[in-house]
Amino acid sequence: AQSVTQLGSHVSVSEGALVLLRCNYSSSVPPYLFWYVQYPNQGLQLLLKYTSAATLVKGINGFEAEFKKSETSFHLTKPSAHMSDAAEYFCAVSDRVSSASKIIFGSGTRLSIRP
Amino acid sequence: DSGVTQTPKHLITATGQRVTLRCSPRSGDLSVYWYQQSLDQGLQFLIQYYNGEERAKGNILERFSAQQFPDLHSELNLSSLELGDSALYFCASSSVIGSPLHFGNGTRLTVT
Repeated sequence: AQSVTQLGSHVSVSEGALVLLRCNYSSSVPPYLFWYVQYPNQGLQLLLKYTSAATLVKGINGFEAEFKKSETSFHLTKPSAHMSDAAEYFCAVSDRVSSASKIIFGSGTRLSIRP
Repeated sequence: DSGVTQTPKHLITATGQRVTLRCSPRSGDLSVYWYQQSLDQGLQFLIQYYNGEERAKGNILERFSAQQFPDLHSELNLSSLELGDSALYFCASSSVIGSPLHFGNGTRLTVT
């Protein structure tokens, strides 16, 4: 069974500071990995995805994530936080082998930005 | 705009009642997923359909059922509603299995 664990339900950083949101996954088969962002009263939007082409994945809004198989991690980073980055972020894993793929989400990390 | 349409946006109903949530996937997407989001449970996968057939089931209660119609829209039926069913219900669609999901804006269900 697949799962993701997001460390830290709430992260607060100052504007301009590095953003680091942690995600560890568990999967018995090579996974697809995703990061999504949810703004208040909206659905989730895709930030970036890992599908094995490259271990460092660049996404929208300056975010990127690095797939580390040895650490089973897929942490999300952004060099300099902006006030508009305040939102909830979800890491997700999908089975790339099965034709019946459920995409499993982590519990989410709420990112707050201090002025 | 993700291209996924969910109706209604808000629904308030009483315990014991039955409701139907509707989802129109993004044009061309064959796969539809339903998720429940609540404060205490997070984002829980309920069920997935692909081109009209059920493909995967998650933590979906027996009181809940879903279907995907030939025109690819999907409905989630919730019956014998309980207070704990109050949540945001999201529909998402994708073009092929494993590709990123496109989410609707959700239906907020309040059971009183």
